[in-house]
Amino acid sequence: ILNVEQSPQSLHVQEGDSTNFTCSFPSSNFYALHWYRWETAKSPEALFVMTLNGDEKKKGRISATLNTKEGYSYLYIKGSQPEDSATYLCAFSNDYKLSFGAGTTVTVRA
Amino acid sequence: EAGVAQSPRYKIIEKRQSVAFWCNPISGHATLYWYQQILGQGPKLLIQFQNNGVVDDSQLPKDRFSAERLKGVDSTLKIQPAKLEDSAVYLCASRRVGRSSYNSPLHFGNGTRLTVT
Repeated sequence: ILNVEQSPQSLHVQEGDSTNFTCSFPSSNFYALHWYRWETAKSPEALFVMTLNGDEKKKGRISATLNTKEGYSYLYIKGSQPEDSATYLCAFSNDYKLSFGAGTTVTVRA
Repeated sequence: EAGVAQSPRYKIIEKRQSVAFWCNPISGHATLYWYQQILGQGPKLLIQFQNNGVVDDSQLPKDRFSAERLKGVDSTLKIQPAKLEDSAVYLCASRRVGRSSYNSPLHFGNGTRLTVT
């Protein structure tokens, strides 16, 4: 079982504000780091899959960075909107096995 | 492409009863996963199939849980008998297989929310 930690567990952000949160993972035997968004009553949806140290990926107002040497990834949401309210899961991959963190639940207040 | 189909969406049973969940992955996805997500925790892998063979079932409680993927397409997960602690969301996911499949994302179904009373 691989230890993947996400912090904070939950956060509230005012509409229009930016926010970020962390995923930490083992720095050895790294293959990939996944981020998923899970909205209530929907299926988890892939945001990013990152494989290289220093990777930065962007999708609209959401972006992510990766540091494989120290074992962490940040997810950023710029100008939060109510539709960004969801649980954000990260998952660490060492070849075929994918281990998930407990998620960060983001609530955007209008 | 059609997504991962799961049924039922919700199920309420009493402890010691049996329950079964069904999953149909995306066409052509050889790898299929069943995850259990208990409230406040991350999804935990129960079993991973590649085609109709089991790749990893190390965290499957085999005394009460079973899963099959007979023709390498759809899959069934069964719990018999259920316990209170089995209350969770059961997620099915699929992924294509290739040389670098570790960097392709999982595609999830909507999940089944199981409540055991």
